[in-house]
Amino acid sequence: QVQLVQSGAEVEKPGASVKVSCKASGYSFTSYIMHWVRQAPGQRLEWMGWINAGNGNTKYSQKFQGRVTITRDTSASTAYIELSSLRSEDTAVYYCARGFYSSSSWGQGTLVTVSS
Amino acid sequence: QSALTQPASVSGSPGQSITISCTGTSSDVGGYNFVSWYQQHPGKAPKLMIYDVSNRPSGVSDRFSGSKSGNTASLTISGLQAEDEADYYCSSYTSSSTLVFGGGTKLTVL
Repeated sequence: QVQLVQSGAEVEKPGASVKVSCKASGYSFTSYIMHWVRQAPGQRLEWMGWINAGNGNTKYSQKFQGRVTITRDTSASTAYIELSSLRSEDTAVYYCARGFYSSSSWGQGTLVTVSS
Repeated sequence: QSALTQPASVSGSPGQSITISCTGTSSDVGGYNFVSWYQQHPGKAPKLMIYDVSNRPSGVSDRFSGSKSGNTASLTISGLQAEDEADYYCSSYTSSSTLVFGGGTKLTVL
């Protein structure tokens, strides 16, 4: 069965960067797009970007352009999201989600806390 | 890209039907049949309930249905059950090749 397993919780200081991983199994990794979505405490889901795991093409939300980088390692069937210049408002649960226009499989979420 | 517009909350009694709306623009909801609906219980990852406006993934109850008219999509839940109480989010593909989510709707089963 499809599984997306994310890396553990992170605590970072303002101005730092964080990199979250999402290891996929149970399907052909390079045949799908992987989305990254975040959710601040008590807030809505917010789409951040996607990567075509096959060719590595990416697309980012304008809100995060310049601060976010999504990559993948096909040999490890793993996608990554890196967010830089962290601020307190970036405290959120970050999810990876497999799919094209919709996502039937989601990771368990990774809590990133930004605090001095 | 602004969030799609959803009502903040809806409520209904067990057995009743409710509808949640999701309003966008011709650049997202109105322009593509790629509207999805997600259910999220507290502390859990979202679960896909409807994709491509009106299709149900395998395993999702047929009490859940979706539709679209113009720039507004809708999720209808019939025969409300206690376990349906959750947050619901719509999402849409956009003309910028991005996705956008709605603000979320809290469903309360009275």
